[in-house]
Amino acid sequence: NAGVTQTPKFQVLKTGQSMTLQCAQDMNHEYMSWYRQDPGMGLRLIHYSVGAGITDQGEVPNGYNVSRSTTEDFPLRLLSAAPSQTSVYFCASNDPDSYNSPLHFGNGTRLTVT
Amino acid sequence: TQLLEQSPQFLSIQEGENLTVYCNSSSVFSSLQWYRQEPGEGPVLLVTVVTGGEVKKLKRLTFQFGDARKDSSLHITAAQPGDTGLYLCAGGAGGTSYGKLTFGQGTILTVHP
Repeated sequence: NAGVTQTPKFQVLKTGQSMTLQCAQDMNHEYMSWYRQDPGMGLRLIHYSVGAGITDQGEVPNGYNVSRSTTEDFPLRLLSAAPSQTSVYFCASNDPDSYNSPLHFGNGTRLTVT
Repeated sequence: TQLLEQSPQFLSIQEGENLTVYCNSSSVFSSLQWYRQEPGEGPVLLVTVVTGGEVKKLKRLTFQFGDARKDSSLHITAAQPGDTGLYLCAGGAGGTSYGKLTFGQGTILTVHP
């Protein structure tokens, strides 16, 4: 069972470039979310989805877009990369019907914007 | 906006020592989860507490949820080098917000042999 798979693992962008961070899960979870992790700030929610076709903003959504066309996939798009978006990005999924609904995280994408 | 203050941010101890990590908020959470994260990997759930005053034990780790469900603590007895890692607390509001967690800043624990 692969769980949550994120690609790429590392990425370097120049300011103004765009890119898509991929996330796929094979656990048939309804809920998926994107977090960014910065030193001393824990994880902060960017966007989340409670099912295919449904997305909503989290705490820090500016500069990011998401879509959820299937249950399995939840890509995160950076429209015009900025140095402030240098971070480690984690995708997570969870089953709202499971006991206490723990988040299952991917192994992250480390993004550097120069 | 709900906030979780986690302390201390760094903890460096010798093998065999005990330690406590605290997670505090002015907001009430329906559940409080503790995760552990190793370098290059995503966080992995250790435990979830949902009832005020609840205490859960996981081998040498003891987790407690405050009576008012605003705070939590993680106590490790006789720490070992294998306990080294980043510990994160996360509060959930419940309902359709299950996918939305508020995370503390994290505690980087280093246990020296």
